[in-house]
Amino acid sequence: QQQVKQSPQSLIVQKGGISIINCAYENTAFDYFPWYQQFPGKGPALLIAIRPDVSEKKEGRFTISFNKSAKQFSLHIMDSQPGDSATYFCAASSKGAQKLVFGQGTRLTINP
Amino acid sequence: DAGVTQSPTHLIKTRGQQVTLRCSPKSGHDTVSWYQQALGQGPQFIFQYYEEEERQRGNFPDRFSGHQFPNYSSELNVNALLLGDSALYLCASSLDIKNYGYTFGSGTRLTVV
Repeated sequence: QQQVKQSPQSLIVQKGGISIINCAYENTAFDYFPWYQQFPGKGPALLIAIRPDVSEKKEGRFTISFNKSAKQFSLHIMDSQPGDSATYFCAASSKGAQKLVFGQGTRLTINP
Repeated sequence: DAGVTQSPTHLIKTRGQQVTLRCSPKSGHDTVSWYQQALGQGPQFIFQYYEEEERQRGNFPDRFSGHQFPNYSSELNVNALLLGDSALYLCASSLDIKNYGYTFGSGTRLTVV
């Protein structure tokens, strides 16, 4: 019940295209859903996050879509650029849990 | 403004040895969490320290222990190292009242041979 399942494992998108990564969760106590971006040799960096009281959040080229009834959320990267090539992790947390539960990661490659 | 600082960046240890990893949190943060990231996997929560106490622990054996100092810095100790302990160890800090605002360090890459 603590798992967060992420797909796909890897994704190749052409420059200028839309990258879409999906996550699903089981624990209905989760109330915070961040996405992290990780470059080789670096720690994860917070990209964007959403709470379940909204269905969508947009920051620049990055959008989170959230479907509470389906217990799914996704990251959309518009106008994908080669600099977006990295590993992306979805995660979830609940107020009482004090910890982040991460998905398995998606390795995104943007071809120029 | 320095972010989360971890040392060392890389470490090679022999099976059965003990290791200590160090973390200095981001300025203004008082809570430190440790995560283990195996190659190709997402980070796994080890434990979290606040006010020098272990507040919560993940599914890791007692060989993994930690400490938080009065200046909020933290150490992760691993005893009796196994080959499977080889991983990137990440420290994340946050301000307790805004517990969701985690900042991660770049990690310590531990290789057990």
